[in-house]
Amino acid sequence: GAVVSQHPSWVICKSGTSVKIECRSLDFQATTMFWYRQFPKQSLMLMATSNEGSKATYEQGVEKDKFLINHASLTLSTLTVTSAHPEDSSFYICSARDSGLNSPLHFGNGTRLTVT
Amino acid sequence: RKEVEQDPGPFNVPEGATVAFNCTYSNSASQSFFWYRQDCRKEPKLLMSVYSSGNEDGRFTAQLNRASQYISLLIRDSKLSDSATYLCVVTKGGGSYIPTFGRGTSLIVHP
Repeated sequence: GAVVSQHPSWVICKSGTSVKIECRSLDFQATTMFWYRQFPKQSLMLMATSNEGSKATYEQGVEKDKFLINHASLTLSTLTVTSAHPEDSSFYICSARDSGLNSPLHFGNGTRLTVT
Repeated sequence: RKEVEQDPGPFNVPEGATVAFNCTYSNSASQSFFWYRQDCRKEPKLLMSVYSSGNEDGRFTAQLNRASQYISLLIRDSKLSDSATYLCVVTKGGGSYIPTFGRGTSLIVHP
């Protein structure tokens, strides 16, 4: 089946630093990838839709200058949390479809970010 | 009204029980529907797609009711390993095809 790889699995950083999270589709090409964030005991919230070769589409309330998304190739999207603060501590998950627009999503294993 | 709503539970059932979850969605133009399973501190994993005709995979049966705008998941003969959070996912229509997640329903199967 389709595999999405996300790295790192967890990261601890100090407040004010930036953290980059990578999401790769290993056996398929993904023109679109989705970035979600999940706080404890809450649902996955879509942050942005990453589009290969163009700007990401951000959901309302998500700061595009704080959460930088780059989708430079058909197999790689990156999310950079800039100037991280403790309230950014969360579980970040990327996902992608391996075929048609109505096909299911395949998820990376997620990145647990802790900002101290 | 939220786009995708689920009863968060938890549903606490004994092994061998049959349990059913519902999920309602607000956008009548929604295109595709899925159930995912998420274990604690892990990423969601696809359980099954949901079709109007219904589909079954072993002990799991999913159904879509477009008229009433809900999908359901039935689990028969519950196992301890079924304990997890079950997420309903609905993909918007109208050209966006953005998947939206419900909050999830927690299932606890006890001996």
